[in-house]
Amino acid sequence: SAVISQKPSRDICQRGTSLTIQCQVDSQVTMMFWYRQQPGQSLTLIATANQGSEATYESGFVIDKFPISRPNLTFSTLTVSNMSPEDSSIYLCSVKPWTSGSGGEQFFGPGTRLTVL
Amino acid sequence: KNQVEQSPQSLIILEGKNCTLQCNYTVSPFSNLRWYKQDTGRGPVSLTIMTFSENTKSNGRYTATLDADTKQSSLHITASQLSDSASYICVVSASGANNLFFGTGTRLTVIP
Repeated sequence: SAVISQKPSRDICQRGTSLTIQCQVDSQVTMMFWYRQQPGQSLTLIATANQGSEATYESGFVIDKFPISRPNLTFSTLTVSNMSPEDSSIYLCSVKPWTSGSGGEQFFGPGTRLTVL
Repeated sequence: KNQVEQSPQSLIILEGKNCTLQCNYTVSPFSNLRWYKQDTGRGPVSLTIMTFSENTKSNGRYTATLDADTKQSSLHITASQLSDSASYICVVSASGANNLFFGTGTRLTVIP
């Protein structure tokens, strides 16, 4: 398994500002992902964080709005830029360990609850 | 279109009772199906993961079934406890892809 921590656990931000969320894993992992979970909804994949290269974004998500870094195999950040109330969500980091194939186990962090006023 | 549908949307049961949650999917080619438990304000935690050849898998009081022919799965919770109150999410993985397809979840509330 993998133990994932996220910082901050929650935040309340003003419209127009940016917030960077950190994800730390206790072991090296192949894949790291960022998800968004809007109130009452299920999880939506934002992007795959690639180590040493630009993240791969899903349809509807762009780098200018959600810049992602992954400097090594255990750490990634997601920035929510120029926030609006519509960005209020839980943001979740998720990982696949080295031992997982494409259909293998995937673990989720505890999430960051973001409220934008 | 790859979709995962869950029912019921919400459920309230008395402590000690059993319940069954349903999941239907159209994801293809199928790789595996997972059930996650998500407590309010927390990330999902894996309960079971089932491949094509597995019909049933248990994890304590949780038992998942899979019918790959009808593309249906169920999660049965036995002797429910107050701590079982959470959202239960069915997630299906497609072969050769890193994408997971999420159901919208069943919100279970166990009352004393």
